[in-house]
Amino acid sequence: GAGVSQTPSNKVTEKGKYVELRCDPISGHTALYWYRQSLGQGPEFLIYFQGTGAADDSGLPNDRFFAVRPEGSVSTLKIQRTERGDSAVYLCASSPSRDDTGELFFGEGSRLTVL
Amino acid sequence: QKEVEQNSGPLSVPEGAIASLNCTYSDRGSQSFFWYRQYSGKSPELIMFIYSNGDKEDGRFTAQLNKASQYVSLLIRDSQPSDSATYLCAVIGGYGKLTFGQGTILTVHP
Repeated sequence: GAGVSQTPSNKVTEKGKYVELRCDPISGHTALYWYRQSLGQGPEFLIYFQGTGAADDSGLPNDRFFAVRPEGSVSTLKIQRTERGDSAVYLCASSPSRDDTGELFFGEGSRLTVL
Repeated sequence: QKEVEQNSGPLSVPEGAIASLNCTYSDRGSQSFFWYRQYSGKSPELIMFIYSNGDKEDGRFTAQLNKASQYVSLLIRDSQPSDSATYLCAVIGGYGKLTFGQGTILTVHP
């Protein structure tokens, strides 16, 4: 497709379970970002990939959160031992390069609900 | 103090009026500023960016930047119901990482 694709669009899980959220960026985009957006808040930065490597993971809240991008395209955000406070919309965004253009192309997000 | 703060809103204006959205930032070294629009249940999309002090106009939208006051604003002229959305102010850091404000909900009523 032409845009950033995220799956699943909705995920309901129980506290303590493991979840994976997938992001397929726009073809050719080398920069990939994960953000988290809680209700009534702006997106909060989690992690940035340039190619295969995580260039900045300073936004990951704790070691339960981990993300990979093994081939420099699709990325997976992994959350272990989920907690109710992890409930949010997880947004993935990509951009053509690491130039400071500020234009990120966002996917529609994965809404995570932890019961 | 949060890095990026927006006027709390929500903001309600009549159709045809000017909507004024405001944002302050804490890092005096910030160079580039962005306004994103987010419709309910949708993802954010870029509508304006500004690098230099002063005004930048694009159609019905004008972004204003005052680096001395660390203040950015977005004016929407001739507001339309289709402008009803959450407006997110953002500043850019290293690697193109954006830091967003909490957003201001704008409602334009007919």
